[in-house]
Amino acid sequence: ETGVTQSPTHLIKTRGQQVTLRCSSQSGHNTVSWYQQALGQGPQFIFQYYREEENGRGNFPPRFSGLQFPNYSSELNVNALELDDSALYLCASSLFSGNTIYFGEGSWLTVV
Amino acid sequence: LAKTTQPISMDSYEGQEVNITCSHNNIATNDYITWYQQFPSQGPRFIIQGYKTKVTNEVASLFIPADRKSSTLSLPRVSLSDTAVYYCLVGDEYSGGGADGLTFGKGTHLIIQP
Repeated sequence: ETGVTQSPTHLIKTRGQQVTLRCSSQSGHNTVSWYQQALGQGPQFIFQYYREEENGRGNFPPRFSGLQFPNYSSELNVNALELDDSALYLCASSLFSGNTIYFGEGSWLTVV
Repeated sequence: LAKTTQPISMDSYEGQEVNITCSHNNIATNDYITWYQQFPSQGPRFIIQGYKTKVTNEVASLFIPADRKSSTLSLPRVSLSDTAVYYCLVGDEYSGGGADGLTFGKGTHLIIQP
């Protein structure tokens, strides 16, 4: 139990639709990162949020966007869904420059 | 970022010691080596981190030779519940990954048999 909770746990969307995934960080953690993990691959960094602003971004197109709220919770939004967006989406929380990062159990997204 | 190479898969038996080696020939002077464990349908979990020589915690040991071009994660007396994917990462001391995030490879799929 990491204290990082994600919702929903599973969802199915149609190509072209939009999806919002949610994450509550561990108490006291002010930094949230999102990762995409395709089947059989390691997690790939999407972006990180700190103080409600994007602090860094991986190699993902602009249709992947996010928000961080004053309580440090976060959302990942993906527009114009493509079949290749089917993956496990992981949220991770930490202190900014902190030494430990905690991952949630992820949200499984299937795009059909 | 230094690239890491580790075996795709390994098999062992309950009660054995398992050693997983990771190569990181281009490791930078200020890079740390961090290992994560991931069970199916869960996020990765931090196991251990080190810079040089040997680090031990309640879960594993990490051996790093003087040239730091490789490292070995050692799991003592494994059980069936140690079946998981193990990732070797090289980078910032802060395991949060910072603005560049953490760079995961495909990891080593460890299968423990009875």
